[in-house]
Amino acid sequence: DAGITQSPRHKVTETGTPVTLRCHQTENHRYMYWYRQDPGHGLRLIHYSYGVKDTDKGEVSDGYSVSRSKTEDFLLTLESATSSQTSVYFCAIKDRANTEAFFGQGTRLTVV
Amino acid sequence: LAKTTQPISMDSYEGQEVNITCSHNNIATNDYITWYQQFPSQGPRFIIQGYKTKVTNEVASLFIPADRKSSTLSLPRVSLSDTAVYYCLVGDRGNTPLVFGKGTRLSVIA
Repeated sequence: DAGITQSPRHKVTETGTPVTLRCHQTENHRYMYWYRQDPGHGLRLIHYSYGVKDTDKGEVSDGYSVSRSKTEDFLLTLESATSSQTSVYFCAIKDRANTEAFFGQGTRLTVV
Repeated sequence: LAKTTQPISMDSYEGQEVNITCSHNNIATNDYITWYQQFPSQGPRFIIQGYKTKVTNEVASLFIPADRKSSTLSLPRVSLSDTAVYYCLVGDRGNTPLVFGKGTRLSVIA
């Protein structure tokens, strides 16, 4: 399996609190992605990164920010969590164009 | 990524061959076609990738006609464990967003 780890794996937080999810890779892959998955919506891209300090918005970026200060870590932050952000979050990594993307095990976030 | 269209869901009995077709009319000359499989509570995993004609691996075959405006993922003799969502992606150029869409939900029935 590709070396990609998401933390935490499960988290329950209260509305209005900040939350940071971490994606860590040991593959030295250039591209990293954050997705959320909800019933009926499939896999939706939140933000992605194509290099250190190079990030861009995806389909559903409102309410989320990201940072990538080093190759191996891609952080997803919910500045003020809302119940609509209750979801399963997946991180993915990819080496270059037209190559296989590898996914983490997911983080189940519940905002109460 | 090029826009893709695939059926929302399909049902099949165990032991049958399943073909899932994806339409991608705006595919560019340099675009590859990639398929992923996702089981419940797991992230998607790569199944197969191709550029033209036919590609086969231990899991599936991918058929791509000459005009490349569609592709068909073929799963031989499916089992209950093939129940999953299958995604078709076209046009991964690296710096562009990797968008998965809703995929095709395959249900295999005993």
